[in-house]
Amino acid sequence: AQSVTQLGSHVSVSEGALVLLRCNYSSSVPPYLFWYVQYPNQGLQLLLKYTSAATLVKGINGFEAEFKKSETSFHLTKPSAHMSDAAEYFCAVRGYNQGGKLIFGQGTELSVKP
Amino acid sequence: DADVTQTPRNRITKTGKRIMLECSQTKGHDRMYWYRQDPGLGLRLIYYSFDVKDINKGEISDGYSVSRQAQAKFSLSLESAIPNQTALYFCATSDADRAVNGNEQFFGPGTRLTVL
Repeated sequence: AQSVTQLGSHVSVSEGALVLLRCNYSSSVPPYLFWYVQYPNQGLQLLLKYTSAATLVKGINGFEAEFKKSETSFHLTKPSAHMSDAAEYFCAVRGYNQGGKLIFGQGTELSVKP
Repeated sequence: DADVTQTPRNRITKTGKRIMLECSQTKGHDRMYWYRQDPGLGLRLIYYSFDVKDINKGEISDGYSVSRQAQAKFSLSLESAIPNQTALYFCATSDADRAVNGNEQFFGPGTRLTVL
């Protein structure tokens, strides 16, 4: 079985500051891991995904995430926040050969202050 | 043009009414999914379909039914709507698994449903 925990339902940063959104997963098989972003009144858009090719994954809009098996974590980071990064972010997991079903975390809303 | 479309985008209905939410895709994907989103709970899977003849219940299927009319169309029905079905509903699609490729899901814009 798989599960995802996102630490912090709301994160607020200043423009230009580091963004760190935390995600821990539980999986009984090697996982695929995903980060999605949801802008207001829109659907979810893929930011990046981990598929075992490399532990440091780079995504769109300057985001990246590092898979750490020993910590069962897949935290999302961006060195310098921009106002346009304000959105809700979802971490999701599915197990290798577990079909297409994704298990989502509860989401983290990111606010960026000027 | 959007690859995954949902209709309607917003709907207000009354308790006991039958409601159908529709999803269409032009991505040519075999797999389609219905999720609901509630604040603080993330997205939860209602039903999923790996092809026209393969439909499966997700974690919260009670009170919902689906129909896969064609590869490109997947509808969600609430036979008798109740207020706790008020939520944002998303349709998603994905390609079939290819070896170790973690195929992502592509989401529609969502339908905001309010049941009074």
